[in-house]
Amino acid sequence: DAGVIQSPRHEVTEMGQEVTLRCKPISGHNSLFWYRQTMMRGLELLIYFNNNVPIDDSGMPEDRFSAKMPNASFSTLKIQPSEPRDSAVYFCASTQGTSQPQHFGDGTRLSIL
Amino acid sequence: AQTVTQSQPEMSVQEAETVTLSCTYDTSESNYYLFWYKQPPSRQMILVIRQEAYKQQNATENRFSVNFQKAAKSFSLKISDSQLGDTAMYFCAFMRGGSGSRLTFGEGTQLTVNP
Repeated sequence: DAGVIQSPRHEVTEMGQEVTLRCKPISGHNSLFWYRQTMMRGLELLIYFNNNVPIDDSGMPEDRFSAKMPNASFSTLKIQPSEPRDSAVYFCASTQGTSQPQHFGDGTRLSIL
Repeated sequence: AQTVTQSQPEMSVQEAETVTLSCTYDTSESNYYLFWYKQPPSRQMILVIRQEAYKQQNATENRFSVNFQKAAKSFSLKISDSQLGDTAMYFCAFMRGGSGSRLTFGEGTQLTVNP
């Protein structure tokens, strides 16, 4: 079975540019999570969706960040405009139902110059 | 709010030996789950083991086992017969019971297995 698929795996861009990260959750999973990993803050939740509806976006750092889940098989995390402090590894994870463990994608390493 | 603390930033162990990684957490919830995830240099996040808070029996997965002390809010991971492939960052994580709950992670412990 395919796991959580994220693209791109690496992204390098200049500050001010728009960045879009993509995620395809595992088929049948109804919850999707976006996490960010940095040396300073560790792993932190940005936003999560349940049945395609955003449930908690309190972790989204600023209005520059936005996330969508137009259908059960696709989600995007967008940063506009990007800044050097947004440099991090961004993970997408999905899970099925209550209390099930989350399955992570391979992450996107984002570097903003 | 829940907090997860891993007090050992780094640990090392010789191949074939046993090592224990520590984790403590703080919560007022009664229904929750605890996990250990492994992140090797490839940066994948791999589930190692999970524990339901309502179960008294400690979870075991092959060479990996936990010591779950609910009253002490402690959740340590024991790795037996350590292998070079166990070298990774290990994260302890807490999840409240209920649909689509978030994971709260500890700071991580970097484990190195030496030949």
